[in-house]
Amino acid sequence: SQTIHQWPATLVQPVGSPLSLECTVEGTSNPNLYWYRQAAGRGLQLLFYSVGIGQISSEVPQNLSASRPQDRQFILSSKKLLLSDSGFYLCAWRPGQVRGSYNEQFFGPGTRLTVL
Amino acid sequence: GENVEQHPSTLSVQEGDSAVIKCTYSDSASNYFPWYKQELGKRPQLIIDIRSNVGEKKDQRIAVTLNKTAKHFSLHITETQPEDSAVYFCAASLGGSTLGRLYFGRGTQLTVWP
Repeated sequence: SQTIHQWPATLVQPVGSPLSLECTVEGTSNPNLYWYRQAAGRGLQLLFYSVGIGQISSEVPQNLSASRPQDRQFILSSKKLLLSDSGFYLCAWRPGQVRGSYNEQFFGPGTRLTVL
Repeated sequence: GENVEQHPSTLSVQEGDSAVIKCTYSDSASNYFPWYKQELGKRPQLIIDIRSNVGEKKDQRIAVTLNKTAKHFSLHITETQPEDSAVYFCAASLGGSTLGRLYFGRGTQLTVWP
């Protein structure tokens, strides 16, 4: 069966510091991967998605970036954090390259980031 | 792109009553509509979904209806229980796309009072 991991689970960082959040998926190959941010305990904002290694699409221009160095690894980064970057960061996956299927996404446990 | 509106933003009901959450979408090409439940501090989890070739789907106390002409779909929870308290998200997607993007509504905070 497939599982998705995220770490760290919680993170407290000062303003201006760098960020690296990691997401890995097990039990599947060539998944589509997604990064979401959830601020103030509500709406899910799509930040980045990837359909393959090195292929990253950005939904919202900001001081965050994403990379996919391996098939089942997705990394969210920042060079300098802002107060507004605080939130709950969720990674999600779905089977990729499956035409005719429907798009259920499976979410990871999330990383709660607090920028002080 | 697709735009999904969700109402109400908050909903309080007495245990045993029914709860209804409504969503509208803008892109007539969308054909897959999942609903996610997110308990406090947890990840969103799929509770039910519907495809555009179906008008209604039920799973025990939960049902979803879809009106393609009007471009709206609804979640119905009957005989609500305190453990149904959570944030519920609707979403729309173009099924069969390799991108697999989901467009989410802003969420509904459901509180069920015992």
